Amino acid sequence: AQSVTQPDIHITVSEGASLESRCNYSYGATPYLFWYVQSPGQGLQLLLKYFSGDTLVQGIKGFEAEFKRSQSSFNLRKPSVHWSDAAEYFCAVGSNTGKLIFGQGTTLQVKP
Amino acid sequence: DSGVTQTPKHLITATGQRVTLRCSPRSGDLSVYWYQQSLDQGLQFLIHYYNGEERAKGNILERFSAQQFPDLHSELNLSSLELGDSALYFCASSALTSGGQETQYFGPGTRLLVL
Repeated sequence: AQSVTQPDIHITVSEGASLESRCNYSYGATPYLFWYVQSPGQGLQLLLKYFSGDTLVQGIKGFEAEFKRSQSSFNLRKPSVHWSDAAEYFCAVGSNTGKLIFGQGTTLQVKP
Repeated sequence: DSGVTQTPKHLITATGQRVTLRCSPRSGDLSVYWYQQSLDQGLQFLIHYYNGEERAKGNILERFSAQQFPDLHSELNLSSLELGDSALYFCASSALTSGGQETQYFGPGTRLLVL
């Protein structure tokens, strides 16, 4: 069955420090992978996506993610976190019917 | 701003009632997806419409129904509401690119509270 796992429910990072948020997926075919961010009381904003090609994907707001087929992972990274990055981050895989299958989300807290 | 609009932003109603949530997709997008976000279930796919036709159903209750109109806006109807239906309901729209790839853009959501 298709699934997405985000092992870290909560991450706390100091402002200016680097971030890595993990995502593992289970999908039989070549996956389409996404990261979305949800700020409190807001909708989901697309950060970045992977369809094919270069496995290191650049997104908005300085985020990047690396697709590693051998590890079934698509981890999100940012070299230097800003206080405004505090939010909930969702990894998702696109299924063959088009629907997105989401992980449970990772809440990022940024310490001053 | 994703270009997807949803109304209303908030909805408070009582058990047993019926509500309609509305979604307008981005200009040119033919696909509309509905998702429910709750604390215990996370983000769950409900239903997908493409150019007026139902394409796929997820974990959508029989008390829920949806449709997509000729102008491509979509409505999600929730009836005989229960306390457990309280959640954030998102719609997303997408346009297929060549190769069958699609990116979904989400609206701001409708927060439903059933009392």
